[in-house]
Amino acid sequence: AQKVTQAQTEISVVEKEDVTLDCVYETRDTTYYLFWYKQPPSGELVFLIRRNSFDEQNEISGRYSWNFQKSTSSFNFTITASQVVDSAVYFCALSKGVTGGGNKLTFGTGTQLKVEL
Amino acid sequence: NAGVTQTPKFQVLKTGQSMTLQCAQDMNHEYMSWYRQDPGMGLRLIHYSVGAGITDQGEVPNGYNVSRSTTEDFPLRLLSAAPSQTSVYFCASSYEWTGVVPEAFFGQGTRLTVV
Repeated sequence: AQKVTQAQTEISVVEKEDVTLDCVYETRDTTYYLFWYKQPPSGELVFLIRRNSFDEQNEISGRYSWNFQKSTSSFNFTITASQVVDSAVYFCALSKGVTGGGNKLTFGTGTQLKVEL
Repeated sequence: NAGVTQTPKFQVLKTGQSMTLQCAQDMNHEYMSWYRQDPGMGLRLIHYSVGAGITDQGEVPNGYNVSRSTTEDFPLRLLSAAPSQTSVYFCASSYEWTGVVPEAFFGQGTRLTVV
C-alpha cells in the first residue's frame, strides 16, 4: 500500500521568509512518481511538479525548489522569499509508475501555508 | 478549451436523496477519476476510469456509482445520500501514458452538504 505523510498541518510565515514543506512517502514499488499540487483559496488544484523515482536531481523553478531523497523517502518543497500569493494548501501525492498511474493518486493530508505581511 | 468542468458547484441534499455529480472534459483524455476532499484527510480516490466503458473502484467507493459511456463524461452518482458523504468532490482527467505518468487536471470541485 502507498502512503504519503505531510506532518505539517499549518505553517505561518512572514512575507519574504523561506519555508519548506515536508513530504514523506511509503511505497513498495521501485518505479513511482511524486507530485506537488497547490490549492489556493479559490479551491482548484494546480499541478506544480512531477518527479519519477529514478530522477533524484533537485529542481528549481523561480522561487520554488524541490528536494527528492530516496534514502529518506522524502520529497520536500521549498519556497524562497515567500509572498502572500503563496498562501494555499499544498498537497504531495504519489502514484505508481505505470500506465494510468496519474489516474490513481495517493495524496497526503496537505499543508496549509499562510504568508502574512 | 474549458478543461474539466464540474456541475453543480454547490448542492444541498437531504438524507436518502439521490443525485448525480456531472464531470466533463474536452481534452480527449482517456483517464478520469473522482476524489473526495475532507478536512484533515486530503483527497481520497472514489472511482476511476481508463476509458469509455471501463471503470474501477478506488479507496472509498461505497455509496457511489459511476459509468463512462463516452470519453468526455464521467458522472458520479450518489444513490442514497448520507451525512458522511458531505464533502468536496473533485473530478480529474489525464492523458495516456507517454513514457511518464502524466499529471492530473482537476475540475473546480463540487461542495456537497447532506443534511
